[in-house]
Amino acid sequence: DARVTQTPRHKVTEMGQEVTMRCQPILGHNTVFWYRQTMMQGLELLAYFRNRAPLDDSGMPKDRFSAEMPDATLATLKIQPSEPRDSAVYFCASGLVIEELSSGNTIYFGEGSWLTVV
Amino acid sequence: EDQVTQSPEALRLQEGESSSLNCSYTVSGLRGLFWYRQDPGKGPEFLFTLYSAGEEKEKERLKATLTKKESFLHITAPKPEDSATYLCAVPISFFQGAQKLVFGQGTRLTINP
Repeated sequence: DARVTQTPRHKVTEMGQEVTMRCQPILGHNTVFWYRQTMMQGLELLAYFRNRAPLDDSGMPKDRFSAEMPDATLATLKIQPSEPRDSAVYFCASGLVIEELSSGNTIYFGEGSWLTVV
Repeated sequence: EDQVTQSPEALRLQEGESSSLNCSYTVSGLRGLFWYRQDPGKGPEFLFTLYSAGEEKEKERLKATLTKKESFLHITAPKPEDSATYLCAVPISFFQGAQKLVFGQGTRLTINP
């Protein structure tokens, strides 16, 4: 059963420390999304990759967040330095998107990385 | 501005008590509406995609319908295992033809035995 795999599942870190979250998308998927979920804001898009190229990362705080896809099996989201307001659940999602999300394609989410910055 | 609004925020039902969840949207040129289910501590799980007004999709005790302005998720004779947060989302074109899913805040459904 193909699924999106995220690590770590849980992370508690001190303010100012670097945090790296990793995602293995479903094999064969060409699109990867990073979402952040909080009680206040719900699910927000942070970054979007198509065929490993970053198409948009306007949802990320540029000074501290960075997203990369070094190869087709790995996407990373890094926060440096981390702050308490970054505490949230970070989801990676992948999909095989040919033209539009509505054209019979959808995206599948991982279990999330639960980040607490103290 | 493209918006997706879900109501109610939370709904508590007795087992077997049918009800509906609402998802309204203000999106020009809607190109589909997605429903997801999210259990505590888990990622959203895909349920349905609806493409055009009048379309209906069913899965077990769930039926999703779509009009030009909103979608309903009807739950018939629910069981405690149907307890979850239900999220709706619409695709929005935002950059070089790429699309992102914009999510509503969700409805937290609790089914009491």
